[in-house]
Amino acid sequence: GIQVEQSPPDLILQEGANSTLRCNFSDSVNNLQWFHQNPWGQLINLFYIPSGTKQNGRLSATTVATERYSLLYISSSQTTDSGVYFCAVDGGSGTYKYIFGTGTRLKVLA
Amino acid sequence: NAGVTQTPKFQVLKTGQSMTLQCAQDMNHEYMSWYRQDPGMGLRLIHYSVGAGITDQGEVPNGYNVSRSTTEDFPLRLLSAAPSQTSVYFCASSYSRQTYEQYFGPGTRLTVT
Repeated sequence: GIQVEQSPPDLILQEGANSTLRCNFSDSVNNLQWFHQNPWGQLINLFYIPSGTKQNGRLSATTVATERYSLLYISSSQTTDSGVYFCAVDGGSGTYKYIFGTGTRLKVLA
Repeated sequence: NAGVTQTPKFQVLKTGQSMTLQCAQDMNHEYMSWYRQDPGMGLRLIHYSVGAGITDQGEVPNGYNVSRSTTEDFPLRLLSAAPSQTSVYFCASSYSRQTYEQYFGPGTRLTVT
């Protein structure tokens, strides 16, 4: 089945710093999402981005489907950005199954 | 809209007991799914449904049953709980005709002793 790898596994930043999180996947996908899991465990949709680039405030994401990776950019990080960031992709053509990466754990220090 | 709701928020079971985790959505989404999240890990798909009356297995279906009698509800049943089922369970839904952009419920934290 499709493999999803996220890097780095852990990241510590000072408030105000920028960061890039990466998601690599091993096969073609039709769907890709980025989520933020906050310290209370809630999963928050960040982007639905099977291809192209999107921006939402300080966050932006780019997926290069032909090269099988996606990037999540966080600019001017804030302590509220802390948590775990997950990438999830569908399991391949014709499947409804989402596969999650193991996440990037981000801690932003004040 | 309430979005995706799950009950209960917390549950403690003894080994061998049965229970049902409830999931409901009010967005008229066709696709619903159940995931479990173990400490330090991503989410793994248990079962999913692409519409009322249609369900299928995900990555880790053993020990769990589902049914989908209405568009709104997708309960997850544990027939005989085991300590290995201690986890946080998330339900999700999406409007599958165009995209599989998923929206998650708040989760149920289950402990089996």
